[in-house]
Amino acid sequence: EVQLVESGGGLIQPGGSLRLSCAASGFTVSSDYMSWVRQAPGKGLEWVSVIYSDGTTYYADSVKGRFTISRDNSKNTFYLHMHSLRAEDTAVYYCATTSNWRLDYWGQGTLVTVS
Amino acid sequence: DIQMTQSPSSLSASVGDRVTITCRASQSISSYLNWYHQKPGKAPKLLIYDASSLQSGVPSRFSGTGSGTDFTLTISSLQPEDFATYYCQQSYSNPITFGQGTRLEI
Repeated sequence: EVQLVESGGGLIQPGGSLRLSCAASGFTVSSDYMSWVRQAPGKGLEWVSVIYSDGTTYYADSVKGRFTISRDNSKNTFYLHMHSLRAEDTAVYYCATTSNWRLDYWGQGTLVTVS
Repeated sequence: DIQMTQSPSSLSASVGDRVTITCRASQSISSYLNWYHQKPGKAPKLLIYDASSLQSGVPSRFSGTGSGTDFTLTISSLQPEDFATYYCQQSYSNPITFGQGTRLEI
């Protein structure tokens, strides 16, 4: 059974940094595309970043240059490193498998509050 | 970026009703359109992919149609657990983009 468990969220001051983790089970993260998607309080869904199986990465314009996605195959975990955080980055952050650019399986989300 | 527009933004319905939600893309996306629903405090769940394919485990009362720029999600007979927010998402090109959501209320 595919499971994704996010961690690392919390309260952080503007300008600060945070690292989110997404631990996977039931499949191998290195063999699939993996995404981060966020949802600001009371708002819709916003795709943030993706890492391909070959290590290629892409970012939304809103986070480009501030966020970095990475993967640790030995831990079957992938990460979102967030820097220069702003109030508008406040959101629940979800990790998701990304097969053919559809988001098949999602984690439960982790809340990041920048204040 | 491809813009996705859903209508209506909110919808009131009753158990047993047939409901249709529409999604329009700002350019042709072939059949690369997915539908999700999300209940309060929970992660979104994939319902339909590639415009009309039912995700494994999703009840057959959900169906999707469309291609090009116009798509619909239909729930044939609403059940209590279907009251949620529904999102469309294009998987045609990077970046992934979502519709703004349709809130389905009792």
